[in-house]
Amino acid sequence: DQQVKQNSPSLSVQEGRISILNCDYTNSMFDYFLWYKKYPAEGPTFLISISSIKDKNEDGRFTVFLNKSAKHLSLHIVPSQPGDSAVYFCAASFSGTYKYIFGTGTRLKVLA
Amino acid sequence: DAGVIQSPRHEVTEMGQEVTLRCKPISGHNSLFWYRQTMMRGLELLIYFNNNVPIDDSGMPEDRFSAKMPNASFSTLKIQPSEPRDSAVYFCASSALKGANDEQYFGPGTRLTVT
Repeated sequence: DQQVKQNSPSLSVQEGRISILNCDYTNSMFDYFLWYKKYPAEGPTFLISISSIKDKNEDGRFTVFLNKSAKHLSLHIVPSQPGDSAVYFCAASFSGTYKYIFGTGTRLKVLA
Repeated sequence: DAGVIQSPRHEVTEMGQEVTLRCKPISGHNSLFWYRQTMMRGLELLIYFNNNVPIDDSGMPEDRFSAKMPNASFSTLKIQPSEPRDSAVYFCASSALKGANDEQYFGPGTRLTVT
């Protein structure tokens, strides 16, 4: 059973607009969350993370929001650029441990 | 820094054959992970090594899968015998794990096709 779910397999957004990628998790004990980005023929690379003591973390154009009561997190990309076209994986973890539980990924396409 | 190196990048084999995937972690990293990516299940952790010792192999799907880390700079994932359902992209990742939630760095992956 998937503990981390990304229910949208794909998303298309116009360049310059906001991209919102969503992720849901089932285990309320998860307290550390990450987003990884993956380009074709490359391995995933770390993008941004958030601890459960926060509800928002921002890094340039990327912001992750965490709603613990809903067991939901989202990644906002503003403004979206064609170079952001990639597969985005959400992952959840227990703070201080090695084990990341990944979702199935969302393929983002930013249209020029 | 060369990053995590994996070989081969692509492997096509027939059912029943032995497959060996190779990984060289980033120098100085003490932890190594093998993942499998499929459309249905996303990225799944197969096995985790710390200081060359297997710590968690609960994700290894069957006895047909085995992994070794004979030294700090090399690891293998072996499938014997291979089956068509093993077709996937296999990633190796390494981490320094010096503090809480240190980033995992992924290699480019090996795309395995078993016919």
